[in-house]
Amino acid sequence: GAGVSQSPSNKVTEKGKDVELRCDPISGHTALYWYRQSLGQGLEFLIYFQGNSAPDKSGLPSDRFSAERTGGSVSTLTIQRTQQEDSAVYLCASSSGPARSYEQYFGPGTRLTVT
Amino acid sequence: AQSVSQHNHHVILSEAASLELGCNYSYGGTVNLFWYVQYPGQHLQLLLKYFSGDPLVKGIKGFEAEFIKSKFSFNLRKPSVQWSDTAEYFCAVNADVGGGADGLTFGKGTHLIIQP
Repeated sequence: GAGVSQSPSNKVTEKGKDVELRCDPISGHTALYWYRQSLGQGLEFLIYFQGNSAPDKSGLPSDRFSAERTGGSVSTLTIQRTQQEDSAVYLCASSSGPARSYEQYFGPGTRLTVT
Repeated sequence: AQSVSQHNHHVILSEAASLELGCNYSYGGTVNLFWYVQYPGQHLQLLLKYFSGDPLVKGIKGFEAEFIKSKFSFNLRKPSVQWSDTAEYFCAVNADVGGGADGLTFGKGTHLIIQP
């Protein structure tokens, strides 16, 4: 079946602009995760959704970052007033349940470049 | 908070050599352990996972890993590597702390190059 999809695959934006990144999880997966992959920091956990609620927002780097999930499916990660240090690959993953019991399936990522 | 250490950042091997990539984590409670692989130009894929039971777990493509609780380790092994194993390998941990803390903590990754 279809895997996790993300759009856009690449995004170049000017410093100070807002960006929205989209994730479509595997159909039926209740849990959804956002991660960031950058050269300096490796893979960092950002936020986790169970259904439409986000019990764990501890990984969001600043209040410029927010995420929502609607209908228990699609999720959007929004970065306001982008900074150059936001440049990274943003990965989305989904699973059938919580990470302590179920494996996560990753999407191809969105490469964000802030100029 | 848990952390994951991968000691080998770059490894270069010849085909048919044996492979062992180290992974250590810091968390004293129950953990779930994973190895993911990222082939060039592709997205992260799960190689293998440990949740409970037999500490020696077998994954795809001939990989295996052993969970040694006393050493806080989950090293990845393959007896004979192939050129197609060239990739970035990530060890990851999820600590069973409850309360919705369900993200994975990843190591920095090991870049493996297999020379023909």
